[in-house]
Amino acid sequence: QQQVKQSPQSLIVQKGGISIINCAYENTAFDYFPWYQQFPGKGPALLIAIRPDVSEKKEGRFTISFNKSAKQFSLHIMDSQPGDSATYFCAASRADYKLSFGAGTTVTVRA
Amino acid sequence: DTAVSQTPKYLVTQMGNDKSIKCEQNLGHDTMYWYKQDSKKFLKIMFSYNNKELIINETVPNRFSPKSPDKAHLNLHINSLELGDSAVYFCASSQEGREAFFGQGTRLTVV
Repeated sequence: QQQVKQSPQSLIVQKGGISIINCAYENTAFDYFPWYQQFPGKGPALLIAIRPDVSEKKEGRFTISFNKSAKQFSLHIMDSQPGDSATYFCAASRADYKLSFGAGTTVTVRA
Repeated sequence: DTAVSQTPKYLVTQMGNDKSIKCEQNLGHDTMYWYKQDSKKFLKIMFSYNNKELIINETVPNRFSPKSPDKAHLNLHINSLELGDSAVYFCASSQEGREAFFGQGTRLTVV
């Protein structure tokens, strides 16, 4: 049973465009929400993370928006570049150390 | 200076064999994990150790046995390998269950 639902499964965006990935969760015990980026043949790498007491966090071209009441959060990649082409995973963790992942979104940025 | 290193990177073996994957982290983290990534890229937690104690043991066949000799090491032993065990196995570590840092993965192919 997947605890974090992620959409879309894949998306294609033109260079310079905005990529948006959405995630939703049900378990209110989650208190930490990281995003990971994975390139082929590599392990997932932490990209950016947010706690539920913050509605938005920005790091460079990557922004997380968090809606606690709706139990949803999203990743926006601004000015998408070909080097951003990867699989992105949202995740949620709670105090019992369990990190649950969404199903992943494959982002392709066309030059 | 690799933060989380796992060996081997590739493992091809026949059905019925027993194999081990080793993992080491030099980040000083207190928690280590094994994740399985299937062909659809879904990341599923298998085990987690906190300070050498097993704290998460998901529904995994008992042919899989983790061992943590110390805080910096977490190995995974698999008995009687089956075709369905073919996947990429990731080791990860974190401090207090938050940002998880992943190894580069071990691609296991059972033939």
